[in-house]
Amino acid sequence: AQSVAQPEDQVNVAEGNPLTVKCTYSVSGNPYLFWYVQYPNRGLQFLLKYITGDNLVKGSYGFEAEFNKSQTSFHLKKPSALVSDSALYFCAVRDFYNYGQNFVFGPGTRLSVLP
Amino acid sequence: DADVTQTPRNRITKTGKRIMLECSQTKGHDRMYWYRQDPGLGLRLIYYSFDVKDINKGEISDGYSVSRQAQAKFSLSLESAIPNQTALYFCATSDPGLATEQFFGPGTRLTVL
Repeated sequence: AQSVAQPEDQVNVAEGNPLTVKCTYSVSGNPYLFWYVQYPNRGLQFLLKYITGDNLVKGSYGFEAEFNKSQTSFHLKKPSALVSDSALYFCAVRDFYNYGQNFVFGPGTRLSVLP
Repeated sequence: DADVTQTPRNRITKTGKRIMLECSQTKGHDRMYWYRQDPGLGLRLIYYSFDVKDINKGEISDGYSVSRQAQAKFSLSLESAIPNQTALYFCATSDPGLATEQFFGPGTRLTVL
């Protein structure tokens, strides 16, 4: 079965420092990987995706993610964190075999950027 | 995303009551989805619909039903609400294709007492 793990429930980082939110996956075949962000009282918003090609993917709000096939990881990164980046982040992978090839979501990582 | 709206935004109800959550979208997408979000569990798929006549059960459909009234409207019903259905519910839409992202509504916070 396809699955996604986000090993950290909470990540704290100081404003201006680089941030990393971790994601590892387990899939059969080539993974289609996505990151979403959820701000308070809002729905999820798409940040970026990896389908094929360059392992470093750039997305919205200055975020990027690095696909690493050997480590089965897709970590989200940003060079300089902002307080406004504080939110809940979800990694997701396409499940090619179930439920209309829908997403499997990780449990989420809460990012807190401290001023 | 303002293109996907959900009503109500908050609802408190009692065990055994029938509840309907509504979702409307102006994105013109054929595909619509209902998820529930529980802390530490991420989002889990309840039902999905690829067009008005194509409705399918998701991972956790027991205790729920849906109606696709039009391309733009997809409603979720709890036939007889129970406390463990207390959760945050999201509607989402998308275009076809594995590389496409989903667009989410703002969510409905449902509390069943």
